[in-house]
Amino acid sequence: EIVLTQSPGTLSLSPGERATLSCRASQSVSSNYLAWYQQKLGQAPRLLIYRASIRATGIPDRFSGSGSGTDFTLTISGLEADDFAVYYCQQYSPWTFGQGTKVEIK
Amino acid sequence: QVQLVESGGGLVKPGGSLRLSCAASGFTFSDYYMTWIRQAPGKGLEWVAYISQSGGAIYSSDSMKGRVTISRDNAKNSLYLQMNSLRAEDTAVYYCARWNEGMDVWGQGTTVTVSS
Repeated sequence: EIVLTQSPGTLSLSPGERATLSCRASQSVSSNYLAWYQQKLGQAPRLLIYRASIRATGIPDRFSGSGSGTDFTLTISGLEADDFAVYYCQQYSPWTFGQGTKVEIK
Repeated sequence: QVQLVESGGGLVKPGGSLRLSCAASGFTFSDYYMTWIRQAPGKGLEWVAYISQSGGAIYSSDSMKGRVTISRDNAKNSLYLQMNSLRAEDTAVYYCARWNEGMDVWGQGTTVTVSS
């Protein structure tokens, strides 16, 4: 089973700043089968990125994904108030989730 | 609009059983893999099971293997999760989601509490 480790656990930033979230896999993720989700308190998750770098429908372009192999990154350029949430990565070959990164207001 | 609505959660005693349902609308249900994901209180997301479009391919997580059965009825646009031998650690919000290389549509979740 591929283990995904997200870092940092919590990211404290101010609106307008850039957020860089890491997701590291214990072994190579085939075909970059990696997705990112955003979850706000009390809500279901929302798909942001799939295949490591493709934005899902309706996702603003301030969200971008990159990486391959074992190292993946979600970048949020210019945090908005609505972006403070928990973010999860997921690989789907087979399926596992990272433990999440909380992006909080500094 | 595209929607998933779960039902069937509730309070159950350890060792008991529960059947969750997920009603889909607004899209061609039979075109998609479907999944169940759960989230224990204050914890992260955990994949439970997924099922192919026809139901011919089914996969479940090691943590619940042998205790859960995922199924679907394409004529009723419905997804199901039968859970047996429930334990306290199965207490969670259970979400159904549509798989479209990423889980792009989620339900609001149904809460399962396992307690005596």
